[in-house]
Amino acid sequence: ETGVTQTPRHLVMGMTNKKSLKCEQHLGHNAMYWYKQSAKKPLELMFVYNFKEQTENNSVPSRFSPECPNSSHLFLHLHTLQPEDSALYLCASSQGLAAPGETQYFGPGTRLLVL
Amino acid sequence: LAKTTQPISMDSYEGQEVNITCSHNNIATNDYITWYQQFPSQGPRFIIQGYKTKVTNEVASLFIPADRKSSTLSLPRVSLSDTAVYYCLVGGVNTGKLIFGQGTTLQVKP
Repeated sequence: ETGVTQTPRHLVMGMTNKKSLKCEQHLGHNAMYWYKQSAKKPLELMFVYNFKEQTENNSVPSRFSPECPNSSHLFLHLHTLQPEDSALYLCASSQGLAAPGETQYFGPGTRLLVL
Repeated sequence: LAKTTQPISMDSYEGQEVNITCSHNNIATNDYITWYQQFPSQGPRFIIQGYKTKVTNEVASLFIPADRKSSTLSLPRVSLSDTAVYYCLVGGVNTGKLIFGQGTTLQVKP
């Protein structure tokens, strides 16, 4: 248990569906992250939030829409996805963004399958 | 942008020391090197982090040469439960440049 939870753990959706992934951290951290982990590929950073403000968007397609209502919660809204978007979506948090050596704590991920 | 390269897989036997090397030729001055362990259906878990020279904690050691273009994770006396994927991460949260390697699948055999 890392203090970062993600729901749902598994999700199957059609290309025309709209769904949301939820992440919650119980560590009192201020920064939160979304990563995509595809089979046989490294983790890819998608978005970074610090104190609810987005600080990083790594050229992620607009069909992925993040939302950070407060420092403890992070959402990833999904719409009109493609089969190649099927992957494990990981949420992480860290105390902040100030120190280069800041440690990230990861949730268990949401396994997404787009049909 | 720093690119990291790791071996795709390694095999070992219980009780042996395992060394996994990550190459990061374009590491930037402010970048740290962090290693994570990942089991199936779980998120990556922090193992160790360093900037230069050697760092040791209760589970691993990290060796970083002076030029910082590579790093070696050392796991002493591995057990079956160390079978996992190990990721090298180069960068820093303060820059938003967090470059993971492709991961090394370590298989520990009895």
